[in-house]
Amino acid sequence: GENVEQHPSTLSVQEGDSAVIKCTYSDSASNYFPWYKQELGKRPQLIIDIRSNVGEKKDQRIAVTLNKTAKHFSLHITETQPEDSAVYFCAASEGNYQLIWGAGTKLIIKP
Amino acid sequence: DGGITQSPKYLFRKEGQNVTLSCEQNLNHDAMYWYRQDPGQGLRLIYYSQIVNDFQKGDIAEGYSVSREKKESFPLTVTSAQKNPTAFYLCASSAQTGNQPQHFGDGTRLSIL
Repeated sequence: GENVEQHPSTLSVQEGDSAVIKCTYSDSASNYFPWYKQELGKRPQLIIDIRSNVGEKKDQRIAVTLNKTAKHFSLHITETQPEDSAVYFCAASEGNYQLIWGAGTKLIIKP
Repeated sequence: DGGITQSPKYLFRKEGQNVTLSCEQNLNHDAMYWYRQDPGQGLRLIYYSQIVNDFQKGDIAEGYSVSREKKESFPLTVTSAQKNPTAFYLCASSAQTGNQPQHFGDGTRLSIL
């Protein structure tokens, strides 16, 4: 079955700098890759997603890139702000049944 | 997400007791999911349902049970067989299973008395 690895587990960046979180997946048949943001004690919220027929997608300061050959996808956050501090989860679809989740990255924005 | 309502927000279980967590959605989604999240950890799938009257075990189904009698409802029962139930429980739904975005409720925090 699908396996998703997420790195790093913790990322600390200076406010205004960029942050990059990377996930690798094992199943070449996976075709949907969402990213979620979870603030402390709250529910995960979808921030961006990408499908396998697209290499890159951007939404304001957030972008996701997908490399199907290498089987990895990355979340890029530019001009980081204090409100970007949260845990970020990546996921990959497994067949038509479920999402397989990464372990999460705690993003800390230093003032 | 206003489309998914979980209740209660906090729940306390006595030893040997079964408790039921409610999850209701008004998004007209076919698929629903239950996840368990332990402090500082990721999401682990307990059960999922692709359609009414059908559900499948996830990675950690032991000690839990579900039903899907109505499209909008997917209650989770934490049975006394679940010896370590203290966790944050999240319900989610999607239009279909697999390659669709999942929308989450606000969660139920379960603790042992």
